[in-house]
Amino acid sequence: QTVVTQEPSFSVSPGGTVTLTCGLSSGSVSTSDYPSWYQQTPGQAPRTLIYSTNIRSSGVPDRFSGSILGNKAALTITGAQADDESDYYCMLYLGSGIWVFGGGTKLIVL
Amino acid sequence: QLQLQESGPGLVKPSETLSLTCTVSGGAISSSGYFWGWIRQPPGKGLEWIGNIYYSGTTYYNPSLKSRVTISVDTSTNQFSLNLSSVTAADTAVYFCAQVDTYYYGMNVWGQGTTVTVSS
Repeated sequence: QTVVTQEPSFSVSPGGTVTLTCGLSSGSVSTSDYPSWYQQTPGQAPRTLIYSTNIRSSGVPDRFSGSILGNKAALTITGAQADDESDYYCMLYLGSGIWVFGGGTKLIVL
Repeated sequence: QLQLQESGPGLVKPSETLSLTCTVSGGAISSSGYFWGWIRQPPGKGLEWIGNIYYSGTTYYNPSLKSRVTISVDTSTNQFSLNLSSVTAADTAVYFCAQVDTYYYGMNVWGQGTTVTVSS
């Protein structure tokens, strides 16, 4: 069974830059996996940040960006703010009608 | 503005069937270009994709849940539904519905979620 991997937690200083990654237990992530990224704060529904690798969802500030770095999808946050402290999930479309979420990364801003 | 709203019982007994409905407003569920999906999140855990449906009725399910899941769509009421049979405590979760883009394969719009507890 394919597992989508994410860092369990990450910390960043206010104003700093952080890159979260999304990998596959077997193989590399590519644009053909249509990686998407979601932000979730406790008790709230997820918010779509990025889809199809690097397309920002409506209203998402440009300090959030998506890319492929090496064999993983990546979400980079530049100029981190206190309210960026959230859980971040990536999702991949593996083809044949199968979508899989990663386990999520808890981002701490301090 | 498109909005999605989940509804259904908040408490289901073990071995019974969990049934939820997602009502779509501000847009037609029969619009081409979108799937309609269900995602869940057990307490303190991550997101799990359950399945998607196209307005034509074509469905895609998580292989780990496929034997227990049925997703259906009713274009006349602009709703789609989730049935999950033979539930156990492990199915206790917040259940979200979402619009899924058929071109970019990502979730566009999310419902606020509804909590379902499986308990006798």
